[in-house]
Amino acid sequence: GENVEQHPSTLSVQEGDSAVIKCTYSDSASNYFPWYKQELGKGPQLIIDIRSNVGEKKDQRIAVTLNKTAKHFSLHITETQPEDSAVYFCAASIPMEYGNKLVFGAGTILRVKS
Amino acid sequence: DTEVTQTPKHLVMGMTNKKSLKCEQHMGHRAMYWYKQKAKKPPELMFVYSYEKLSINESVPSRFSPECPNSSLLNLHLHALQPEDSALYLCASSLGQGRGDTQYFGPGTRLTVL
Repeated sequence: GENVEQHPSTLSVQEGDSAVIKCTYSDSASNYFPWYKQELGKGPQLIIDIRSNVGEKKDQRIAVTLNKTAKHFSLHITETQPEDSAVYFCAASIPMEYGNKLVFGAGTILRVKS
Repeated sequence: DTEVTQTPKHLVMGMTNKKSLKCEQHMGHRAMYWYKQKAKKPPELMFVYSYEKLSINESVPSRFSPECPNSSLLNLHLHALQPEDSALYLCASSLGQGRGDTQYFGPGTRLTVL
């Protein structure tokens, strides 16, 4: 079935520390894994993504890793800043006959304390 | 430019009203999506249009009626809604290449049904 589990549901870190959010997907047809950041009153904003033929991707302070065998993928944020505080969603893309479907994890509330 | 615009930002309607939500993108994307997001929950897919044709309908009640007049515009017509339909309605778009399309979200319309 289509399911994405995300942990933890809330995460509090001190400014400058690292934050890690983990997701597990169930559908082996999933081939694309985006991460979105959603601030209060706004739509989800893509922050990084990874495709199934890549194991790791980094963009400045943000990195994502993918383990296809275990069906795990993780978001790593280093040197966290107060403006990183938001809700983060992982997602798995499932190809359909026409278009593709994103299945989201439940979300992680990240609080960065200054 | 990765901008998806949505109007109105906020909408309050009674259960007997008819209203429409509008979404627009000028990125040349050929796939457009409607999602529903309840408070503290992830977005849930409602509809997908691929090349102006409805390709995915996630068993949404008929009181929600999507329309794609052209490749840049997406509407969601609302009629006889229930209070439990109150939510943030998000529009997204992607290239329409099927596998691993990056979806870009708009800011959403906050809908309240009285």
